[in-house]
Amino acid sequence: GQQVMQIPQYQHVQEGEDFTTYCNSSTTLSNIQWYKQRPGGHPVFLIQLVKSGEVKKQKRLTFQFGEAKKNSSLHITATQTTDVGTYFCALGTSGGSYIPTFGRGTSLIVHP
Amino acid sequence: DAGVIQSPRHEVTEMGQEVTLRCKPISGHDYLFWYRQTMMRGLELLIYFNNNVPIDDSGMPEDRFSAKMPNASFSTLKIQPSEPRDSAVYFCASKGGFGTPATGELFFGEGSRLTVL
Repeated sequence: GQQVMQIPQYQHVQEGEDFTTYCNSSTTLSNIQWYKQRPGGHPVFLIQLVKSGEVKKQKRLTFQFGEAKKNSSLHITATQTTDVGTYFCALGTSGGSYIPTFGRGTSLIVHP
Repeated sequence: DAGVIQSPRHEVTEMGQEVTLRCKPISGHDYLFWYRQTMMRGLELLIYFNNNVPIDDSGMPEDRFSAKMPNASFSTLKIQPSEPRDSAVYFCASKGGFGTPATGELFFGEGSRLTVL
């Protein structure tokens, strides 16, 4: 089956520092999604990447899809306490339907 | 739309009891997913339905778990008998299929936190 590795598992930062989480797949991906889960909450969709080498930005968040479509990263510039949560990548199976396999997630802790 | 609705939000039960979790997907979505989340195993896909038909239940841990989707607006996940190791947060999610503008985004419910004593 599809293997997904997400690192790091935890990351502590001081407010204002940058943060990056990485997602690596054992197979070439058709696309990848990113979700955020606040403490005590549920996963919420952030973005989907489809094209090789694609880069998308949402305010302070930058998402990249690797050229080989086997890895992806999420970078947050100048973290804020509102960024606290667990960030998951989700890998899709090939074919017409997107049935995602979630990584273990990276938990971000921001210290004020 | 109210989003994906799950009930109960919290359930505490004793080992051996039957547990039924319920989910109402977003109207018009034709995929429904059941996930289980624990610290040890992360977010695991248990089963998913397409147009009310179970497509892949390979993630269901054992025969004690069963899921049904009698119609497009309702699904249940049942555990009988429950065991302490079933304690987890169970999420239901839905998404649109072909012909929808959706990117494949999953919409999650708020989850049902199950504690089996």
